[in-house]
Amino acid sequence: NAGVTQTPKFQVLKTGQSMTLQCAQDMNHNSMYWYRQDPGMGLRLIYYSASEGTTDKGEVPNGYNVSRLNKREFSLRLESAAPSQTSVYFCASSVAGTGQFFGPGTRLTVL
Amino acid sequence: GQQVMQIPQYQHVQEGEDFTTYCNSSTTLSNIQWYKQRPGGHPVFLIQLVKSGEVKKQKRLTFQFGEAKKNSSLHITATQTTDVGTYFCAGTRNTDKLIFGTGTRLQVFP
Repeated sequence: NAGVTQTPKFQVLKTGQSMTLQCAQDMNHNSMYWYRQDPGMGLRLIYYSASEGTTDKGEVPNGYNVSRLNKREFSLRLESAAPSQTSVYFCASSVAGTGQFFGPGTRLTVL
Repeated sequence: GQQVMQIPQYQHVQEGEDFTTYCNSSTTLSNIQWYKQRPGGHPVFLIQLVKSGEVKKQKRLTFQFGEAKKNSSLHITATQTTDVGTYFCAGTRNTDKLIFGTGTRLQVFP
């Protein structure tokens, strides 16, 4: 079991560029999440998917879109990156009502 | 909106000393979860508390959920260098959307 995997591990973008962060889990979890973590801010939920085909906004969804491609995969897209989106991005998955399993994260820098 | 605050922000202890971090929510929570994040790593789930006044132990770690389900604490007895990291509480209100606290960074000196 790989658990939750994320690609890429690191990424540098220029302002205005777009990119997609990939996430996959092999634990047959229904729920998947995208968070961003900034220094001193803890983790903030960007988007959430309770099941395949459904997505819901979290605390900070502006500037992001998501796709729940199937039960395993949940991608996060930045259409036009801004320096304020420089952060560490974590994907997580869970069985509803239980603890979340996190991926290793993607460190994104937007210049 | 809902807020979850943690204190202290940082704590430095000598190995063998005890450590406590406190978590306070502005609203009543359905449950609370605790996570540990090592430097440069990802959050790792430790435990979930659901019942009012609940106390759970994991070896040297003791977790409490307040009677009003608005606060929680994590106490580590006799810290070890392996306890180094940031401890986050995270609460929910009848959904799976977690609101994370700001975290307490623990440093343990040998």
